[in-house]
Amino acid sequence: EVVLTQSPGTLSLSPGERATLSCRASQSIASYLAWYQQKPGLAPRLLIYDASNRATDIPARFSGSGSGTDFTLTIDSLEPEDFAVYYCQQRSNWPPYTFGQGTKLEIK
Amino acid sequence: EVKMVESGGGLVKPGGSLRLSCAASGFTFNTYSMHWVRQAPGKGLEWVSSISTSSTYIYYTDSVKGRFTISRDDARNSLFLQMNSLRAEDTAVYYCARERVPGAGGWFDPRGQGTLVTVSS
Repeated sequence: EVVLTQSPGTLSLSPGERATLSCRASQSIASYLAWYQQKPGLAPRLLIYDASNRATDIPARFSGSGSGTDFTLTIDSLEPEDFAVYYCQQRSNWPPYTFGQGTKLEIK
Repeated sequence: EVKMVESGGGLVKPGGSLRLSCAASGFTFNTYSMHWVRQAPGKGLEWVSSISTSSTYIYYTDSVKGRFTISRDDARNSLFLQMNSLRAEDTAVYYCARERVPGAGGWFDPRGQGTLVTVSS
């Protein structure tokens, strides 16, 4: 099973700043990684798939990069609505599909 | 508009059963693989089960194998999860999700509010 480890656990930033979130896989997963955003009480929303492709209607300030075992989600110029929990997920070696434990992005 | 409405959750005793349903609309249901993903209270996301188009391929996470059964009814645009022998650790909000685009594989696109399953005596 592929284990995904996200860092940091919590990231405290102010609106307008850049956020950099990391996800590390326990083995190579090529580019088979996605990022999700989840706000309290809501279903997760797909942001990025195949490591760097934005999903439908996702703003351009969200970008993904990486391949192999190390991946990054970058959010340029944070908006108030971006403060949420972010999860990475892999579909390289499945079943099972696995998720990281999440990074909470909070307002500083 | 793509919509998924989950239902069937509730409070059940350990060892009991529940059947979750997901009513989908706004897309061509029978062309999409479908999934169940759950989230225990205050915890992260966990993939539970997947079913391909025409129910050709079905997969489960190890912890639910032999206890949960996923199924679909394309005529009713509905996805189901029969949960038997429930355990406390199955307590979670259960989301149904379609794949991002037909045939695109395991990227999840959940659009519902989820349904809460609580297993407790």
